[in-house]
Amino acid sequence: GAVVSQHPSRVICKSGTSVKIECRSLDFQATTMFWYRQFPKQSLMLMATSNEGSKATYEQGVEKDKFLINHASLTLSTLTVTSAHPEDSSFYICSARPPGAAGHTEAFFGQGTRLTVV
Amino acid sequence: DAKTTQPPSMDCAEGRAANLPCNHSTISGNEYVYWYRQIHSQGPQYIIHGLKNNETNEMASLIITEDRKSSTLILPHATLRDTAVYYCIVRVDLRNSGNTPLVFGKGTRLSVIA
Repeated sequence: GAVVSQHPSRVICKSGTSVKIECRSLDFQATTMFWYRQFPKQSLMLMATSNEGSKATYEQGVEKDKFLINHASLTLSTLTVTSAHPEDSSFYICSARPPGAAGHTEAFFGQGTRLTVV
Repeated sequence: DAKTTQPPSMDCAEGRAANLPCNHSTISGNEYVYWYRQIHSQGPQYIIHGLKNNETNEMASLIITEDRKSSTLILPHATLRDTAVYYCIVRVDLRNSGNTPLVFGKGTRLSVIA
């Protein structure tokens, strides 16, 4: 099946610093990628939709200036957590889906990034 | 997308069949039932999906009731590695839904016990 890869898988940063998380579709092009956040023992919550070549669409309550999304190519989207605070500590997951013409119907997810802000 | 209801948790003995129910009484005619699972500290993984016929693949079977208001995911011989949160999601065929995201409910936490 298609592969979506995230990097890093785990990161620890100090409060006030910024952290960049990469999401790559390894064997298909994705005009759209999705970013989710998951707190302990909770479900995945959609943060934003990343669109190649245009601005991301953010869900209500997600600060676009804090969570910067860049989708500069058809295989790479990045999420930058700016001025991170301990409450931003969470599990961040990206998702992408191969184009429908390829016959795939399922979405593929990265392995997730565990962010800890100290 | 139609709302789904799943039990919060279930236990299953290793080697036995795990039957995970999902209620989706408001499902529309063009909505499919998708199942994903999430093993601890990993991204979700696709399992299976169906419209109205029962489906089977190498991972699981999906049984959909005739009225399509509920379904059951069956793991025929559960192993310890099947311990995960299982999500039942109802939505239109992903191929025809454009670039819209999956919306996750709370899922069922399945614990496979040795």
